[in-house]
Amino acid sequence: NAGVMQNPRHLVRRRGQEARLRCSPMKGHSHVYWYRQLPEEGLKFMVYLQKENIIDESGMPKERFSAEFPKEGPSILRIQQVVRGDSAAYFCASSPRGRGETQYFGPGTRLLVL
Amino acid sequence: GESVGLHLPTLSVQEGDNSIINCAYSNSASDYFIWYKQESGKGPQFIIDIRSNMDKRQGQRVTVLLNKTVKHLSLQIAATQPGDSAVYFCAETVDSSYKLIFGSGTRLLVRP
Repeated sequence: NAGVMQNPRHLVRRRGQEARLRCSPMKGHSHVYWYRQLPEEGLKFMVYLQKENIIDESGMPKERFSAEFPKEGPSILRIQQVVRGDSAAYFCASSPRGRGETQYFGPGTRLLVL
Repeated sequence: GESVGLHLPTLSVQEGDNSIINCAYSNSASDYFIWYKQESGKGPQFIIDIRSNMDKRQGQRVTVLLNKTVKHLSLQIAATQPGDSAVYFCAETVDSSYKLIFGSGTRLLVRP
């Protein structure tokens, strides 16, 4: 039973480019969460999605960032016009249901903006 | 790795000793707590969890203690091994929310 999968594992972008991060939840999980981790800090919640629905995006910057979880395929976190401050590790987690459920994390995508 | 910082609190223990990692939380409405282990370059790995209606829970070599009076959570690792070296995060949810709130982490170093 494969765990949460994320790709790419490492992504390098120049300022102004777009970054697309993908996440496939664990089998049987329909709830996906994205977190960001800056160096020397804990993870910070960004967005919570179910299939075809954004449930809570309160932790996501309102500009340049968007997320989706289509009916088919992985969840996508998209960052447009990246800036150096976007450099971080982005983790995806999934759970079978939402509230009060254990979240299992993927290996993360390390984004470096030059 | 970028998830392990130079300024994290560090606990250094001898292999075979027991380790205790502590975490304080501030919200009295926090009702679900999880300990994660994060090795360099990897994602957080679930270790053990506890709900607010309990004060102790045991797993394999790990025990979590919850003191709601002083809003304190601890992770005890018995017979610490080199493979236990990592950064450990406590996380909590408030009012059974889905939103995990992470602590700042503690680096555990195991001396051979």
